[in-house]
Amino acid sequence: SQQGEEDPQALSIQEGENATMNCSYKTSINNLQWYRQNSGRGLVHLILIRSNEREKHSGRLRVTLDTSKKSSSLLITASRAADTASYFCATRGNNRLAFGKGNQVVVIP
Amino acid sequence: DTAVSQTPKYLVTQMGNDKSIKCEQNLGHDTMYWYKQDSKKFLKIMFSYNNKELIINETVPNRFSPKSPDKAHLNLHINSLELGDSAVYFCASSPLGTQNEQYFGPGTRLTVT
Repeated sequence: SQQGEEDPQALSIQEGENATMNCSYKTSINNLQWYRQNSGRGLVHLILIRSNEREKHSGRLRVTLDTSKKSSSLLITASRAADTASYFCATRGNNRLAFGKGNQVVVIP
Repeated sequence: DTAVSQTPKYLVTQMGNDKSIKCEQNLGHDTMYWYKQDSKKFLKIMFSYNNKELIINETVPNRFSPKSPDKAHLNLHINSLELGDSAVYFCASSPLGTQNEQYFGPGTRLTVT
């Protein structure tokens, strides 16, 4: 079954720096989505990129998708303390979303 | 005005008991889900309903039984609770099927002692 695998697993950065996370998957997808989970909360959808798209922006977020390498990256620019959270990629295929293990990002004020 | 709500938020119970978790969404979505998140934050789908009809039923013990009385509600009943059932359970909903973004509830932390 397809499953996003984020890399790196944990990231600690200073406020104002950029944070980059990668995700790889194994099978064909319809789309790939990124979610954020703050501690003790539910997941919040951030951005969706379709399989025929290569890059997408939303505010300080930039997502890329390389279907030939079956990988995606999420870039958060000018990070803020409030960006501290776990970030999950999820691949849509086989009538369901399959979530990766998540990246813990800590932004130090 | 919460979009997806779950009750209770915390549930502590003993092995062998039966418990239910309720979920409601006021977004008008047709599709609802139950996920289980383990202690390592791995999120796995358990069930999905589309307009009250079961469309995804992952390999979940039959002690878990979802019920959807209408398309805005999806409840989860668990019989004979086991220690391994301890986890955070999330309800979610999405518009127009499973390929769109999903909206998650706040989660129910279940602890079985």
